Amino acid sequence: DAGVTQSPTHLIKTRGQQVTLRCSPKSGHDTVSWYQQALGQGPQFIFQYYEEEERQRGNFPDRFSGHQFPNYSSELNVNALLLGDSALYLCASSLDRAMGEQFFGPGTRLTVL
Amino acid sequence: KNQVEQSPQSLIILEGKNCTLQCNYTVSPFSNLRWYKQDTGRGPVSLTIMTFSENTKSNGRYTATLDADTKQSSLHITASQLSDSASYICVVRSRGSTLGRLYFGRGTQLTVWP
Repeated sequence: DAGVTQSPTHLIKTRGQQVTLRCSPKSGHDTVSWYQQALGQGPQFIFQYYEEEERQRGNFPDRFSGHQFPNYSSELNVNALLLGDSALYLCASSLDRAMGEQFFGPGTRLTVL
Repeated sequence: KNQVEQSPQSLIILEGKNCTLQCNYTVSPFSNLRWYKQDTGRGPVSLTIMTFSENTKSNGRYTATLDADTKQSSLHITASQLSDSASYICVVRSRGSTLGRLYFGRGTQLTVWP
C-alpha cells in the first residue's frame, strides 16, 4: 500500500516564476491538506481539499492556489514566487476531513533564488 | 488565540539517556493531540495520539502524557538511540463544527550523540 507521494522532490525557481507541486494521497483517502514548513519551523496550514473543492484555508495570499482531481490527487500552485516562499511543502491525506489521522508525504523542497 | 508552544527548542543528549519534551497548548475546543517525529527533509510521522480522556500512551520507547486540565503534554523518550535524532512536533486538533483544524508547534530538535 503506497503512502502519500509528492513530486518533485526538489525544485529550484527564480523570483517571479510560477511553480506546481503534486501530491497523490494514501490509497483510500479522499482529503488532501497542504502545508508550508520553513526551516526550523513547524508546518503552516495552507489549505485543504475535499470533493474537489477548497474547504478550508490558512493565512496565505491568493498567489497560493490548488486543485483536487477526481482521483483525489492534488496540485499546489504558487504564482509570482518570492524569496520567502522557499520552504518544504508538505502534503497530508486523510480519510475523513474532520477527524481522520493525517498521513504526510516526504515533501517537496522549493528553493527560490 | 489557538497556539501550541513546545520546549525546549533544541536538546542534545547522549545515547542511552532519557529525555522529556514539553508541549503547552491553548487550542479550544480540544479534540486530540498527536506527537510526530520528523526526520530532516522528510514528512512527519505520527508517534502517539491522545484524546481528552487519556492520560498516558506508550509506543515502544516513546511515552506521551496529557493533562487536559492544564493543557500540557509531554513526550518521554527512554534509552535514546542515534536514530531518535529528529524534530518532534506536537500537533493539537480543534473540534470544529465542520472541519477540525490542526495547530502545530515549532518542534523540539533532538540530537543524540554517541
